[in-house]
Amino acid sequence: DAGVIQSPRHEVTEMGQEVTLRCKPISGHDYLFWYRQTMMRGLELLIYFNNNVPIDDSGMPEDRFSAKMPNASFSTLKIQPSEPRDSAVYFCASGTGINSPLHFGNGTRLTVT
Amino acid sequence: AQSVTQPDIHITVSEGASLELRCNYSYGATPYLFWYVQSPGQGLQLLLKYFSGDTLVQGIKGFEAEFKRSQSSFNLRKPSVHWSDAAEYFCAVGGPSGYSTLTFGKGTMLLVSP
Repeated sequence: DAGVIQSPRHEVTEMGQEVTLRCKPISGHDYLFWYRQTMMRGLELLIYFNNNVPIDDSGMPEDRFSAKMPNASFSTLKIQPSEPRDSAVYFCASGTGINSPLHFGNGTRLTVT
Repeated sequence: AQSVTQPDIHITVSEGASLELRCNYSYGATPYLFWYVQSPGQGLQLLLKYFSGDTLVQGIKGFEAEFKRSQSSFNLRKPSVHWSDAAEYFCAVGGPSGYSTLTFGKGTMLLVSP
């Protein structure tokens, strides 16, 4: 079991650029979650998927943010255009059900200058 | 909406001493409660969870937590802290859509002194 894999581990980009974060959930997990961690707001749920379908995206802060899950083994979180206030650690997590404990990846630290 | 409060941002404990991290929650129904630990540069690891039944729950690494409905609390304890316990600890409550939709507290950073 390789765990939840996120890439890249660190991303530094300039304001206005497009950023794509990637996640590979644990095989067999049919729920996938994206969380964002900032000093000010802590950990916030952005969006989650079930069987590759977005179920709740009410935590997505703005239209600049979008997430996709084209198949069971891959998800992306895209920010376009990026802004300095998007700087945060973005975590992906997966689970076997809406009532199952989550397995978190190591996160992507995004810095927007 | 549910919320979680961890009143202590930082706590310093001597190695070998006991530990208690505080957590208060706000939730309209019976809560599903969790404690996660985050080591530097790592993701979050589940320490323990409470769903129902015995209000004292045991977790990994020698941690335990007690659910007190009357106080809306779910404090984390460990009788003897090890230097490797230094990390950030998060309390969380499961959402109405399912307890995987977690609302987290802001976290408590545990520092362990020799």
